[in-house]
Amino acid sequence: NAGVTQTPKFRILKIGQSMTLQCAQDMNHNYMYWYRQDPGMGLKLIYYSVGAGITDKGEVPNGYNVSRSTTEDFPLRLELAAPSQTSVYFCASSYTSGVNQPQHFGDGTRLSIL
Amino acid sequence: AQKITQTQPGMFVQEKEAVTLDCTYDTSDQSYGLFWYKQPSSGEMIFLIYQGSYDEQNATEGRYSLNFQKARKSANLVISASQLGDSAMYFCAMRAMEYGNKLVFGAGTILRVKS
Repeated sequence: NAGVTQTPKFRILKIGQSMTLQCAQDMNHNYMYWYRQDPGMGLKLIYYSVGAGITDKGEVPNGYNVSRSTTEDFPLRLELAAPSQTSVYFCASSYTSGVNQPQHFGDGTRLSIL
Repeated sequence: AQKITQTQPGMFVQEKEAVTLDCTYDTSDQSYGLFWYKQPSSGEMIFLIYQGSYDEQNATEGRYSLNFQKARKSANLVISASQLGDSAMYFCAMRAMEYGNKLVFGAGTILRVKS
């Protein structure tokens, strides 16, 4: 079972470059999330989606954009990469937003901005 | 107040012994969910165990159990018979309507199992 798949696993960008982090899930989950994890810290929510065509900001959305054209895919876009965006990015999904629903995570994308 | 507090930045445990990782939480909701995740050095986030606020029994999953003390707002993870493979970062997390039902994480505890 694939679960949540993130690509790429690693990437180095130069300041000012743009890129898209890909996330796909095959569990037919309605809810999808993007987090960033800075060294030695917990996860902070960047954006989330409650279904195809619906997205909303999380705790730290500045510098990022998302789209959700299908249930399966939830790409995260960095338009003008900055050193402060060096982090590990996790995509997650859950069937509902109920308090009893765990989120299932991808393996992460380690991104360095130089 | 911090939504999730994990007061132990790092812990050591001898192989085959039990260890408790502390977690306290803050919410005014009556209905909420508490979760523990494991993050090994390889980086992935692995869901371990869930406890619902209305659950009367402490949750258990194999060697993992959750010591849920509702009045104290604590949800400590107990790992029995520690193994070397348990060495990892452990995150406590919560979902509550007060926080938009989003998963909020603590800062984590690094566990090292010694042979």
